[in-house]
Amino acid sequence: QSALTQPASVSGSPGQSITISCTGTSSDVGRYKYVSWYQQHPGRAPKLMIYDVSDRPSGVSNRFSGSKSGNTASLTISGLQAEDEGDYYCSSYTNTGTLVVFGGGTKLTVL
Amino acid sequence: QMQLVESGGGVVQPGRSLRLSCAASGFTFSSYGIHWVRQAPGKGLEWVAVISKDGNSQYYADSVKGHFTISRDNSKNTVDLQMSSLRVEDTAVYYCAKKNGPTGGMDVWGQGTTVTVSS
Repeated sequence: QSALTQPASVSGSPGQSITISCTGTSSDVGRYKYVSWYQQHPGRAPKLMIYDVSDRPSGVSNRFSGSKSGNTASLTISGLQAEDEGDYYCSSYTNTGTLVVFGGGTKLTVL
Repeated sequence: QMQLVESGGGVVQPGRSLRLSCAASGFTFSSYGIHWVRQAPGKGLEWVAVISKDGNSQYYADSVKGHFTISRDNSKNTVDLQMSSLRVEDTAVYYCAKKNGPTGGMDVWGQGTTVTVSS
């Protein structure tokens, strides 16, 4: 069981917007601004999409945005494109002894 | 460009040891912490360990604490993960990833190296 809870799957049509939630506790997501989101395509290494809750690395499309409210962080992808299909993982710092925790991952399907 | 390359994976029997290595290039290695993250077949990402930029601090996941050790050599631009008393559940692709400065993000990832623990 992962420390952070994500929906197993989400889907949307091209051009639509979707949001993936990442629910933690007051020991991780609720405590730190260090929430990150990663995209992973089959057989490939993960790619950083969002860090520090809402910052985008250079080169990442502004269609990707992040936010946080209380113990839940969210990743929103607007203007869905076929290339956005893949697995998405959130992560956060935690004060529970282990330093970093990941969510279980969400499979995004572009219909 | 910034790059990380893992090596050392393979097939090993339960209880044996294996040492993974992560070689860095294209950035000032001694300025960044390095993480190890693993992914079991068909499963999600699991954080394993991190070492600070100077090597003086290490943190581990509870699942590997006491049988994995992370170390680095800033003169060689490498980070190692010494894995001992390996268990079947340690079977995974192991990635090293560069810490994104002072934040919690991991902005550069290697291609991964596969470790299979099987009798």
